[in-house]
Amino acid sequence: EPEVTQTPSHQVTQMGQEVILRCVPISNHLYFYWYRQILGQKVEFLVSFYNNEISEKSEIFDDQFSVERPDGSNFTLKIRSTKLEDSAMYFCASSEGVGEQFFGPGTRLTVL
Amino acid sequence: GENVEQHPSTLSVQEGDSAVIKCTYSDSASNYFPWYKQELGKGPQLIIDIRSNVGEKKDQRIAVTLNKTAKHFSLHITETQPEDSAVYFCALENTGGFKTIFGAGTRLFVKA
Repeated sequence: EPEVTQTPSHQVTQMGQEVILRCVPISNHLYFYWYRQILGQKVEFLVSFYNNEISEKSEIFDDQFSVERPDGSNFTLKIRSTKLEDSAMYFCASSEGVGEQFFGPGTRLTVL
Repeated sequence: GENVEQHPSTLSVQEGDSAVIKCTYSDSASNYFPWYKQELGKGPQLIIDIRSNVGEKKDQRIAVTLNKTAKHFSLHITETQPEDSAVYFCALENTGGFKTIFGAGTRLFVKA
């Protein structure tokens, strides 16, 4: 069964460093998303991406964040200068269209 | 903006009993309402969804009801089993369909 994959599973970085979180969505999906979940809290929408451009983004997704689909399979989230409060689980998701989203296992980002 | 309130935050039931989780929302234009189950250390997984042209949907032991007039929707799990223990999130898609808003989650404990 096709699934969304994410790498790395855990990323530790120093405050102020740049990180890139990687996702491989399900191959025939056209819509891609990033969410974050601070430990024990709810899942928060960051950004959606369709047709090689951002469709919608939340207030969290400020200038420090960017997304890219560098090739036909990867979808990345970059945080330019990490802050302590960026520590969270980051989930990638994909969908064929509007509707059911398939989530990856997440990347745990720890900013020291 | 869009908001989803979810209750209760924690629910403990005996195996075999029913569990009900309720959500209310503010964006009357929303028309897609998914429910996700999140097990420890994993990403959310869709368990059932409902669109606004339907009042109720059932899939084996799981059912969802939607009242668009009152702007609330509920998840019903019957004959609960220990493996139903997880965190459950209600969610909705905003009008454009590119942004999913999650509720705060309900931690369900099913005691054997």
